[in-house]
Amino acid sequence: VQLVESGGGLVQPGKSLKLSCSASGFTFSSYGMHWIRQAPGKGLDWVAYISSSSGTVYADAVKGRFTISRDNAKNTLYLQLNSLKSEDTAIYYCASSMYYYVMDAWGQGASVTVSS
Amino acid sequence: DIQMTQSPASLSASLGETISIECRASEDIYSNLAWYQQKSGKSPQLLIYAANRLQDGVPSRFSGSGSGTQYSLKISGMQPEDEGDYFCLQGSKFPYTFGAGTKLELK
Repeated sequence: VQLVESGGGLVQPGKSLKLSCSASGFTFSSYGMHWIRQAPGKGLDWVAYISSSSGTVYADAVKGRFTISRDNAKNTLYLQLNSLKSEDTAIYYCASSMYYYVMDAWGQGASVTVSS
Repeated sequence: DIQMTQSPASLSASLGETISIECRASEDIYSNLAWYQQKSGKSPQLLIYAANRLQDGVPSRFSGSGSGTQYSLKISGMQPEDEGDYFCLQGSKFPYTFGAGTKLELK
């Protein structure tokens, strides 16, 4: 199982960014997927979940600003980040979910810095 | 939202020592609890799920227990490679919530 995030970078407040997570080594279409973030020196913060049937759930802090999606043909998970704030600065991890909250594999993370 | 209170915040253990980390939920989470280990500069890894089920490949010195609102992770015999941060996660209700973490160091 391998998960590889990409798309991170430095972005100004109010702008947008799109993260990707390329999956391999398992049947991507059969798994739920999560995005989790970690601010510098802080703990883990769950962001969003998408089921194998593309149902979605979001943390309150990102609801209405972030959108999780998936392309099963490309074995890729996405996170669209809009209206970014400084408090969104973090490493963003994607994780596969063998059962809802059971995140059995994680990517290496993509760094997002929101600053003017 | 369900609050997860994790303790202690930090812990120093000697080689071979047995240690425990606790998580208390603000309401019954029906054993929908997982433990994750994060080594310095690395991604988190799953250790335990469903409160007491050991993930494949995780050493048997790790064990989980608990029910209702109280859960614990035990390491029976601290090893150098066990240094890192440990987080509990409740998966009973969305939004999922993590404990604040425990930093474990070798004395």
